[in-house]
Amino acid sequence: RKEVEQDPGPFNVPEGATVAFNCTYSNSASQSFFWYRQDCRKEPKLLMSVYSSGNEDGRFTAQLNRASQYISLLIRDSKLSDSATYLCVVNEDGGSQGNLIFGKGTKLSVKP
Amino acid sequence: DGGITQSPKYLFRKEGQNVTLSCEQNLNHDAMYWYRQDPGQGLRLIYYSQIVNDFQKGDIAEGYSVSREKKESFPLTVTSAQKNPTAFYLCASSGIPGGGAIYNEQFFGPGTRLTVL
Repeated sequence: RKEVEQDPGPFNVPEGATVAFNCTYSNSASQSFFWYRQDCRKEPKLLMSVYSSGNEDGRFTAQLNRASQYISLLIRDSKLSDSATYLCVVNEDGGSQGNLIFGKGTKLSVKP
Repeated sequence: DGGITQSPKYLFRKEGQNVTLSCEQNLNHDAMYWYRQDPGQGLRLIYYSQIVNDFQKGDIAEGYSVSREKKESFPLTVTSAQKNPTAFYLCASSGIPGGGAIYNEQFFGPGTRLTVL
């Protein structure tokens, strides 16, 4: 079974801080990459898809390094509402319809 | 409002009983999935279905069964053979016809918390 590894944290940061999460994956054939956010006792929600050129959505930037099999998520100007667990997700095989492998998540806690 | 619904939100079961968790989607998605999440753990795939009347085992299918008689519905039965069924169960769907590269982004229902007494 292919693996997705994340630092479990927790990351405790003050409001306004910049925080970065990293994720490594083992299947070099993977083609789809995502970051999901999961609040306590809730379902995961899609935060961003990660494109090979990197992509940005407001305060969130995702990057992909295929050579190192590494994905990152950068959050700038952290808000209290960013407190959640962030899941790194990779598709299992090279096909566009492959099943997804979920990392265990990195917990972020933003403090006033 | 398009989305995925799961019911019930909380479910209590006595040991030895089978129980069925409901999952319905009106997103016109082809694929549906069932996951289990335990505290501090990642999601683990139980079963998935890419098309009506077909489904495949995931990593932890033992003690579970599913059916996919309609595109919109993918119920999960937790049988008495499942040794440790207490967990958070999440249903997801994916696949927009013609969606291309974003075909396998998965969208989740709100989940069912099952507790075995």
